[in-house]
Amino acid sequence: GQNIDQPTEMTATEGAIVQINCTYQTSGFNGLFWYQQHAGEAPTFLSYNVLDGLEEKGRFSSFLSRSKGYSYLLLKELQMKDSASYLCAVSDSNYQLIWGAGTKLIIKP
Amino acid sequence: SAVISQKPSRDICQRGTSLTIQCQVDSQVTMMFWYRQQPGQSLTLIATANQGSEATYESGFVIDKFPISRPNLTFSTLTVSNMSPEDSSIYLCSAWDREGTEAFFGQGTRLTVV
Repeated sequence: GQNIDQPTEMTATEGAIVQINCTYQTSGFNGLFWYQQHAGEAPTFLSYNVLDGLEEKGRFSSFLSRSKGYSYLLLKELQMKDSASYLCAVSDSNYQLIWGAGTKLIIKP
Repeated sequence: SAVISQKPSRDICQRGTSLTIQCQVDSQVTMMFWYRQQPGQSLTLIATANQGSEATYESGFVIDKFPISRPNLTFSTLTVSNMSPEDSSIYLCSAWDREGTEAFFGQGTRLTVV
């Protein structure tokens, strides 16, 4: 079957760095996505990785290793507004998105 | 990326009634999707809305309960029929961008069935 695993919840301190991991097993691979979702709102796009390596976008970076079925989202200089759920999703061989359950990130002052 | 306007944003409905949710995209998109998201959980795909043909439903979802229309490449509707409290959830429509490198979402519809 297809499976996406990510931690349920993480806590970090304002100004610090946090890494959210995602491992996946899917039938085919056409890219991995990270989304941010604040409570009561729709998911918003953060990043897309289809090749191995690190993609940096401001305070957020995303890493992919296809051979390991592994990705992480790195958030630097954490701000209180970064408190949200972070969803990992993989596009499978049919270009259908398989979603992880999301990681709830709690930022403390 | 494109913008999807979804409405209504929220509704409270009586059990046994039906609600139609609309999504309008500001550009033509090939694939549109409908998701359901229970509180604190991830997204569950209901169906893929196909332009000009019947939607493709995922396991556990049927056309009689969730009829979908896709009359053109910019618009789709999802109807939640004969509602029960178990249908209370957030419903989201989504579409791929042209390159297939971003899936973007409507604002969501928060449905409460009483």
